[in-house]
This record gives sequence, C-alpha cells and structure tokens, in this order.
Amino acid sequence: AQRVTQPEKLLSVFKGAPVELKCNYSYSGSPELFWYVQYSRQRLQLLLRHISRESIKGFTADLNKGETSFHLKKPFAQEEDSAMYYCALQNNAGNMLTFGGGTRLMVKP
Amino acid sequence: SAVISQKPSRDICQRGTSLTIQCQVDSQVTMMFWYRQQPGQSLTLIATANQGSEATYESGFVIDKFPISRPNLTFSTLTVSNMSPEDSSIYLCSVGLVRGNEQFFGPGTRLTVL
Repeated sequence: AQRVTQPEKLLSVFKGAPVELKCNYSYSGSPELFWYVQYSRQRLQLLLRHISRESIKGFTADLNKGETSFHLKKPFAQEEDSAMYYCALQNNAGNMLTFGGGTRLMVKP
Repeated sequence: SAVISQKPSRDICQRGTSLTIQCQVDSQVTMMFWYRQQPGQSLTLIATANQGSEATYESGFVIDKFPISRPNLTFSTLTVSNMSPEDSSIYLCSVGLVRGNEQFFGPGTRLTVL
C-alpha cells in the first residue's frame, strides 16, 4: 500500500522567512512524487515533481529515499505563497495518485 | 495541458436522492479520474473512469453507490446515489495526458446533503 503523510496541517511564517513543508511517504516500489498547490479560489495545480529536479516559484524539493521524505522548501517566503500544499505519490503503473493530508501555509506580512 | 470543466459547481440535495456530476475536457485524454475531498480532509481517489469499459474502483468505493460513465475520451459522469449527509464533499475530476505524468484537475463540485 502507498501512503503519504504531511505532519503539519498549518504552517505560519513571516514574509522573508524560510519555509519547509514536510512530506513522508511509504511505498514498496520506486516512488514518483509531486507537490500540488491550491491557491485561494483556484483549482488544484502541479507545483513541481521530483523527477524534473527544478525550482518553481523559488520552491525546491529533494527526494530522500533513505528517509522516505520529499520536503518542500523555499528560502524566503512571500505573501503570495499562502496556499494549501499537497504532497502526492504516483504508483509505478502511473495510474494512481495518493495525496497527503495537506498543509496550509500562511505567510504573514 | 488540459482544460477541465465540471457541472454543477455546487448543489444542495436531500438525502435519498442522487446527483450526477459531469466532467468535460477540451481534448481527448487517456486517463480520467474521480476524487472525493471530504470537509477538512485530503483528496481520495474514488475510481478511474475507463473509456468503453467499467470503471476501476478503489477500496471502499462501489459501483452501486458511485456509478461512473465514460462514453468517449473527453467526457465522464459520476453519480452519487442514495445520498446521505456523509456524502457531503467536494468531488473532483482529473485527467492524465501521459501515464506517470502530472494530473490536471477540474474546479470541483461542492455537494451538500441535508
């Protein structure tokens, strides 16, 4: 079975502070991991995926297979980063996405 | 990418009735999925809508309660049958263009059952 855990339901930081949203997973195969984001009144959309190894909107995430983690990081948070963030794991067949519980990030001015 | 629309955007229904939610995509897609997001919870996959065959349901979801149709590669419906207040959720349609790549999500249908 595959499982994704986001231990923090809410993360509140001040503008300019570093941000780390935690994600841990459990999966017997080779994981394909994603971060999805939902801004207020918008639909869920992809932020980044581990295989592309790129930085999107200043966010990066590194897959750590030893710790089974895929934490999302940004060195300097902006107010527009306030949103709901979901970590998700895709199975090897590429047809099932399992979501974590989500973390609401609030960036205060 | 893909542009997805859902109808209705929201509805308030009486218990015991059924509601059919429509999902329309602007291009032909291989994979279509239906998710449920209960209040304060994350997204849970209900089923994969297969074109021309029966949907593939995840554990805890059955066809009698959530019948799904997918008559072509751009359209699918999800019916929530014999509703109870516990079915109050946001129901989301998503599509995958390439197996293993990102999924694109619809705006969701907010269902309230009284």
